[in-house]
This record gives sequence, structure tokens and C-alpha cells, in this order.
Amino acid sequence: NAGVTQTPKFQVLKTGQSMTLQCAQDMNHNSMYWYRQDPGMGLRLIYYSASEGTTDKGEVPNGYNVSRLNKREFSLRLESAAPSQTSVYFCASKVSSGNTIYFGEGSWLTVV
Amino acid sequence: TQLLEQSPQFLSIQEGENLTVYCNSSSVFSSLQWYRQEPGEGPVLLVTVVTGGEVKKLKRLTFQFGDARKDSSLHITAAQPGDTGLYLCAGERSGGSNYKLTFGKGTLLTVNP
Repeated sequence: NAGVTQTPKFQVLKTGQSMTLQCAQDMNHNSMYWYRQDPGMGLRLIYYSASEGTTDKGEVPNGYNVSRLNKREFSLRLESAAPSQTSVYFCASKVSSGNTIYFGEGSWLTVV
Repeated sequence: TQLLEQSPQFLSIQEGENLTVYCNSSSVFSSLQWYRQEPGEGPVLLVTVVTGGEVKKLKRLTFQFGDARKDSSLHITAAQPGDTGLYLCAGERSGGSNYKLTFGKGTLLTVNP
């Protein structure tokens, strides 16, 4: 059982480049999330999707877009990367009625 | 403004010692969760507490939710090197969306052999 799978695990971008972080879960969860984790800042919610076809902004959405492609997949796109977006990105999912959030292993992104 | 304050931010102890980590807020939470995160991995849920005053035990770990549901503590007895990691608390706001948790900044625990 793979759980939550993120790709790529590591990526270096130049300022202004674009890229998409992919996330897929095989647990039939309705809710999916994208967080970023920075030293001294904890985990901050970027966007979330309560169900297929819906997305909503979280705490720090600026500079990002998301797509809930289907129930399994939730992608995060950086249209024009900035050094401030250097971070570790985590995708997560959970059952709508439950409390347990399952996280992926993270994607390390460096913008130079 | 940080909704959940964790303390201490860093903790380095010797194997066998006891420790307590705190998670405090001025806001009321309908539930509070504790996660442990190891280097290179995502956070993993340890426990969820939902009732004011609730105490849950997970082997050598004891979790308590404050009576007013504004704070929580994690106590580890006889710490072992395997307990090393980043401990995060996360709260679900009362009356808020069930889809969003607010995380504290974490306590980085190092247990030395």
C-alpha cells in the first residue's frame, strides 16, 4: 500500500521557471492538501481540496495554483518560481469524516 | 500570529530521562493532534485528543488535553534514541472547517545514547 506518493523528491529551479509537483493517494480519500514546511515556521497550508472538483486557498496560497485532477491526484503548480518558494512541500490526504491526515514523504524544492 | 505555541523549540536529553513538551494557545480547539516527523519523511500521527481533560497513553508517551481545550502536553518517560524527531501539535478550531488543521512550529527532540 503506497499511501501518499509525491514526485519529484528533489528539484532545483531557476527564478522564473515553472514546475508542477505531483501527488497521488491510493486510499480513496476525499480530502487532499498541500503544505509547505520552512525552518522555524512549522507546516503551513497552501491549498486544499475537500473533494474531487473543489479547491480552496489555505494560509499561504500566493504564487501557487492547484488542480484536483481526479479523486486520486492533486497537483501543485508554481508558475514563476521565486527564491521565497524554496521549501519542503508535503502533500497529504484524509477521509472527509476522519481526523487522521496521511502525509507523503515530501518534495525538496530549491529556487536559485 | 502563531495560533499554537510549542515549547521548548529544541530539547536535547540523555537516554533514560523524562521530558514534557507543551502546546499552548489562546484559542479553543475541538480536537488536537500530535505528530512525530523524522528526517526526510512526512509527519506521522501519534494521537488525537478531543475531550477536555482527556489523557491518552501510547507506550511511554502520555498525551493530555487541557480542561479548557486550549492546550496540550506530551510527556515521554525514559526517553530512548528512537524517540528522536520533530514533534508537532496541530489543532482543529472549534466551529471551523473540518478540512484544515493549524500546526505549531514543532519541538525538535534529540535523545543521546
